Amino acid sequence: TQLLEQSPQFLSIQEGENLTVYCNSSSVFSSLQWYRQEPGEGPVLLVTVVTGGEVKKLKRLTFQFGDARKDSSLHITAAQPGDTGLYLCAGDRAGGTSYGKLTFGQGTILTVHP
Amino acid sequence: NAGVTQTPKFQVLKTGQSMTLQCAQDMNHEYMSWYRQDPGMGLRLIHYSVGAGITDQGEVPNGYNVSRSTTEDFPLRLLSAAPSQTSVYFCASSYYVLSTEAFFGQGTRLTVV
Repeated sequence: TQLLEQSPQFLSIQEGENLTVYCNSSSVFSSLQWYRQEPGEGPVLLVTVVTGGEVKKLKRLTFQFGDARKDSSLHITAAQPGDTGLYLCAGDRAGGTSYGKLTFGQGTILTVHP
Repeated sequence: NAGVTQTPKFQVLKTGQSMTLQCAQDMNHEYMSWYRQDPGMGLRLIHYSVGAGITDQGEVPNGYNVSRSTTEDFPLRLLSAAPSQTSVYFCASSYYVLSTEAFFGQGTRLTVV
C-alpha cells in the first residue's frame, strides 16, 4: 500500500485551464515537498511546506499543507505548455529524526496542450 | 556547480551480472540516498547514508549494496542483476540530517535482460 496517495495519476488539459493535484495520507508528516520532473532528468524541488494550514505561492502555483499535516494540494492557475511534466509529492514522517527518508507519491503526469 | 553526478546514464546488463552505479556530490552534503523509479510507483528508497561510514536500508534494499567511504561518493552495487531490477535509479543528497530537501542526479536507466 502506498503511504502517500497522489491523484490524479494523469491529467491532460488545454492551455489556460486550472488544475489541482492532491496528495493524501493517513499518516502525519513533519513536512511535505513537491517536486517536478522532466523526461530524462531527476526531480527538482518546487516547494516545502512544514506548518499545518500553510499556503505557499510560486508564480501560478499554489501549494497547501493540510491542517492535520496529512495531506497537501498543488493548484496551477492558467496552465501553460511549459508546466508539462511529472509532479511528485514527498513527505517525511513525523516523529524522530527524519534522516531524509522521504516517502513519495505515485506522481501525476501533467500534459498541457497549446 | 556540478551538484549530484551519476554515471552511467544508461546501462544494459545480462541476468546474473554485477555492476556499480556511481554517485558523487560536490555540495558537502551529509545525507545521501538511492531511489528507484518505476512506472506508477513514484520513487522508492533503496539505501541511505547519514555520513561517511554510516549506511542503512530503505524500503527496497534486497539485491543492492552500498558503502560510504567519503562524504562525496555513494556507489550502489548490484550483486547479481535480475530483470526485476530494470528501473531508473536516482541518487540524491541533502544538506543536513534534519533537512529532507533533496537534490537529485540525472538518473541511470538500467535494463536487465
